[in-house]
Amino acid sequence: AQSVTQLGSHVSVSEGALVLLRCNYSSSVPPYLFWYVQYPNQGLQLLLKYTSAATLVKGINGFEAEFKKSETSFHLTKPSAHMSDAAEYFCAVSERNYGQNFVFGPGTRLSVLP
Amino acid sequence: ETGVTQTPRHLVMGMTNKKSLKCEQHLGHNAMYWYKQSAKKPLELMFVYSLEERVENNSVPSRFSPECPNSSHLFLHLHTLQPEDSALYLCASSQDPASGGHEQYFGPGTRLTVT
Repeated sequence: AQSVTQLGSHVSVSEGALVLLRCNYSSSVPPYLFWYVQYPNQGLQLLLKYTSAATLVKGINGFEAEFKKSETSFHLTKPSAHMSDAAEYFCAVSERNYGQNFVFGPGTRLSVLP
Repeated sequence: ETGVTQTPRHLVMGMTNKKSLKCEQHLGHNAMYWYKQSAKKPLELMFVYSLEERVENNSVPSRFSPECPNSSHLFLHLHTLQPEDSALYLCASSQDPASGGHEQYFGPGTRLTVT
């Protein structure tokens, strides 16, 4: 069975600083990986996904993530944080042939300080 | 309407009430999901429907009863709930989940409070 861990339940960065949110996964087969963002009182919105094409995936709002098989990681980055990036971020994994088994990590709350 | 919509957005109910949550997707997807999001806990998958058939039921108590009358609509019927069932209930949809790789699109959620 697959699983996801996200290091750091809360991350704070200054406006303009690099954003790095960590995600490690466990999967018995090559995974599909996703990052979602959730703003207060809203549902989850897809930021980007990895489906075995390029290992560096670009998403919306200037975010990108790199799939590293050797490290079983899929960390999310953004070069320069903006106040509007403050939200909860979730990493998720699903397995080929069992796409309904979508497993989410516990989430990381990002705060952006002025 | 576009995307995934959920009604009501907020619901307060007593433990003896019966209520239903509604979800509708306008994306032409053939799979729909119910998730429970509680404070301090990971997102919990409750039910999965693919082509209107239930394919996943993650040991959810029987006081939660899903219904999927067609590929665009999903309901969650609630009865005799407990205070610990208070949470944000999220609906999602996707294309063919069996092959994987398809992102899920989420509705805004229903904030449920059980008193």
